[in-house]
Amino acid sequence: DAKTTQPPSMDCAEGRAANLPCNHSTISGNEYVYWYRQIHSQGPQYIIHGLKNNETNEMASLIITEDRKSSTLILPHATLRDTAVYYCIALYNFNKFYFGSGTKLNVKP
Amino acid sequence: AAGVIQSPRHLIKEKRETATLKCYPIPRHDTVYWYQQGPGQDPQFLISFYEKMQSDKGSIPDRFSAQQFSDYHSELNMSSLELGDSALYFCASTDRGNEKLFFGSGTQLSVL
Repeated sequence: DAKTTQPPSMDCAEGRAANLPCNHSTISGNEYVYWYRQIHSQGPQYIIHGLKNNETNEMASLIITEDRKSSTLILPHATLRDTAVYYCIALYNFNKFYFGSGTKLNVKP
Repeated sequence: AAGVIQSPRHLIKEKRETATLKCYPIPRHDTVYWYQQGPGQDPQFLISFYEKMQSDKGSIPDRFSAQQFSDYHSELNMSSLELGDSALYFCASTDRGNEKLFFGSGTQLSVL
């Protein structure tokens, strides 16, 4: 599975959009991009995933570049409860669901 | 909806003791994963099972063993505990038709 690179931390003002980038330049054609988050010491929580097309659900939007070498997770209106570590995972085989180093998002009032 | 259940939530052990952590996957999920998360660390994959067979192995110490039972629940057995084994242990489950992993709330193991 492709390695992903994320900034270690980001700040976002409450009510504003949080845009979390992820680089996966070695991603292969059949690898999905998954986003999970972990709110302090809780179990990781699924956010969204996609292959090629942009995706949106009730939690977030996922924008994948045309060459699929990077993606951005967008939380449209960040709240204090969105403060968490966000993990981007490039995945083909669920047997190898490995976490890398995520982005610590700090949402500030 | 039913979630992944882990027990116990908290466990305190002495060095060189043994511990058993239990994981009950979501009903009809046939795949279970175990992760270890040390303080300030990212979750590290330990081991996974599909249909009661080990499917992948990560950085699991030889002192640890795990299995998945006929009812699909899984147990992580840890022997000769060391101080460095103090961590949060997460279990996750899915089934082959699903595209998501679902995580439990974890077991906090403290080795004194």
